[in-house]
Amino acid sequence: ETGVTQSPTHLIKTRGQQVTLRCSSQSGHNTVSWYQQALGQGPQFIFQYYREEENGRGNFPPRFSGLQFPNYSSELNVNALELDDSALYLCASSLFGGADTQYFGPGTRLTVL
Amino acid sequence: GIQVEQSPPDLILQEGANSTLRCNFSDSVNNLQWFHQNPWGQLINLFYIPSGTKQNGRLSATTVATERYSLLYISSSQTTDSGVYFCAAPFNNNDMRFGAGTRLTVKP
Repeated sequence: ETGVTQSPTHLIKTRGQQVTLRCSSQSGHNTVSWYQQALGQGPQFIFQYYREEENGRGNFPPRFSGLQFPNYSSELNVNALELDDSALYLCASSLFGGADTQYFGPGTRLTVL
Repeated sequence: GIQVEQSPPDLILQEGANSTLRCNFSDSVNNLQWFHQNPWGQLINLFYIPSGTKQNGRLSATTVATERYSLLYISSSQTTDSGVYFCAAPFNNNDMRFGAGTRLTVKP
């Protein structure tokens, strides 16, 4: 059984640029959720994808967007990066979203300068 | 939406000591998870425990759903137990709401 993987592990961007983060779900899981974790805080829900459709969104602006592919891997895209976007971005896979055990990847640490 | 509060925010223990971490949630939930975040940022599942008690080695957890709290017990703590412990509960069935965490430091 393959666990959740994320790429890249670290990324440095400048304000105004765009970034794409990638996540491969655990085998057999059809749901991917993305979270942002600022330093010293708990993760905050960005959105969830279930079978290639967005299935819930947290309090994040539209410049945060995502995709899920037929193999259930997922991308998180952030446009017009701001300094406050600097954070650890985590993805989690599960069978039934929040009602089911979520398994997290190792995260991508994004620094915006 | 659901509020999740954890206490204490920080805990320092000597190796071998026992500890109890608490998680209060503001609404009834059908899922409650405990995680350990290691120094590299990886969130490790500890327990999926909407109600009742579970044990896994030196760790155990109890959720009393009717009173809206969950407890995580760590016995005979080791330095490798250090890190941040989070509890999380779902809001609207997909948005997992995390507490602010308890930062545990176990000293040798």
